[in-house]
Amino acid sequence: KAGVTQTPRYLIKTRGQQVTLSCSPISGHRSVSWYQQTPGQGLQFLFEYFSETQRNKGNFPGRFSGRQFSNSRSEMNVSTLELGDSALYLCASSSQGSGSYNEQFFGPGTRLTVL
Amino acid sequence: EDKVVQSPLSLVVHEGDTVTLNCSYEVTNFRSLLWYKQEKKAPTFLFMLTSSGIEKKSGRLSSILDKKELFSILNITATQTGDSAVYLCAVGVEYNFNKFYFGSGTKLNVKP
Repeated sequence: KAGVTQTPRYLIKTRGQQVTLSCSPISGHRSVSWYQQTPGQGLQFLFEYFSETQRNKGNFPGRFSGRQFSNSRSEMNVSTLELGDSALYLCASSSQGSGSYNEQFFGPGTRLTVL
Repeated sequence: EDKVVQSPLSLVVHEGDTVTLNCSYEVTNFRSLLWYKQEKKAPTFLFMLTSSGIEKKSGRLSSILDKKELFSILNITATQTGDSAVYLCAVGVEYNFNKFYFGSGTKLNVKP
């Protein structure tokens, strides 16, 4: 089974621009979560999508948004980039079962640098 | 406020040593605790713990959860240089499927 894939792997943008990152979960997984990882803040939860609906959201400004498509692929968008948005953005996929305890598998990440 | 605290923040040992990494948590509606290993890439899943007192084991790695005292430990025996990585602990909460709170990680450096 193929793992979680993310594209692009590396991205360099300038302040004020916007960026879209893509994530394809493991086949059969319907839940996709996004995280931001920085040296100072560690791994922080952005949001989670399941069946094209955002189920959970972390404490990030509205510049961070996402969506999920019917094939479970997800995109994350950051508008009006700031220097502090430079980070590794990780996507994780989980299967879904009522009352189950879900393991979460990560993709390789997208390294975003904002200049 | 929900939080996950890992200790120590960093650790330097020599090959063959045994190490114990700690993860304590204060979260509402605990559901599961996960351990990950992160090298220079995405975190790799190691263990998921949901019940107290049941040890999970994989080779030289083992982990156990204490839901009464709200902590977990990850043990690595006979460490190797390939064990050098950041070890992350994450706690999943009930009622919010697939929402996890992560600790800041323990950076392990195993010297030859």
